[in-house]
Amino acid sequence: EIVMTQSPATLSVSPGERATLSCRASQSVSSNLAWYQQKPGQSPRLLIYGASTRATGIPARFSGSGSGTEFTLTISSLQSEDFAVYYCQQYNNWPPRDITFGQGTRLEIK
Amino acid sequence: QVQLVQSGAEVKKPGASVKVSCKASGYTFTSYYMHWVRQAPGQGLEWMGIINPTGGSTNYAQKFQGRVTMTRDTSTRTVYMELSNLRSEDTAVYYCARGSSDLTSYGLDVWGQGTTVTVSS
Repeated sequence: EIVMTQSPATLSVSPGERATLSCRASQSVSSNLAWYQQKPGQSPRLLIYGASTRATGIPARFSGSGSGTEFTLTISSLQSEDFAVYYCQQYNNWPPRDITFGQGTRLEIK
Repeated sequence: QVQLVQSGAEVKKPGASVKVSCKASGYTFTSYYMHWVRQAPGQGLEWMGIINPTGGSTNYAQKFQGRVTMTRDTSTRTVYMELSNLRSEDTAVYYCARGSSDLTSYGLDVWGQGTTVTVSS
């Protein structure tokens, strides 16, 4: 099983500042990585797939980078609605199987 | 619009089974895989498995092998997830989520509203 490790567990950032979230895979997943946002009481929302491609309707302030085992989600100029929990997910096998998520990073207001 | 509508909350006793449904609308049902993901209270997301609505083939996370069964009914555009031998640790919100059948655009882009399953004696 590919283990996904996110850091930090909690990130405190002020509105208007930049947030950088990290995700590491226990083995290479190429660019087969997605990011999701989840707010309390809501279903997750797809932000990024293919490590760097924004999903439909996702604002340009969200960007993803990385390949292999190291990935980053950057949110430039944080808005109030961005404070949430973020998860990375690998889908290295195709057709999809043995998918795993990171444990999440909670982005909170500083 | 594209949506996934799940069945309502369930309360089950330990050892029982639960079957959650997920009805798709607004897109070609057989063109996307369907995944099941669960989330225990205060915890992260846990992938349970996937079903291909076209032929019904499945792949389950090793943790749930032998306890989970995913099926589909193409006539009603509905997928089902049945989990047996329930224990308290299975208390969670269960989500269905649509996944692309194209690797270049893969992601779980549409999610159901979630179904709360509570296991308690």
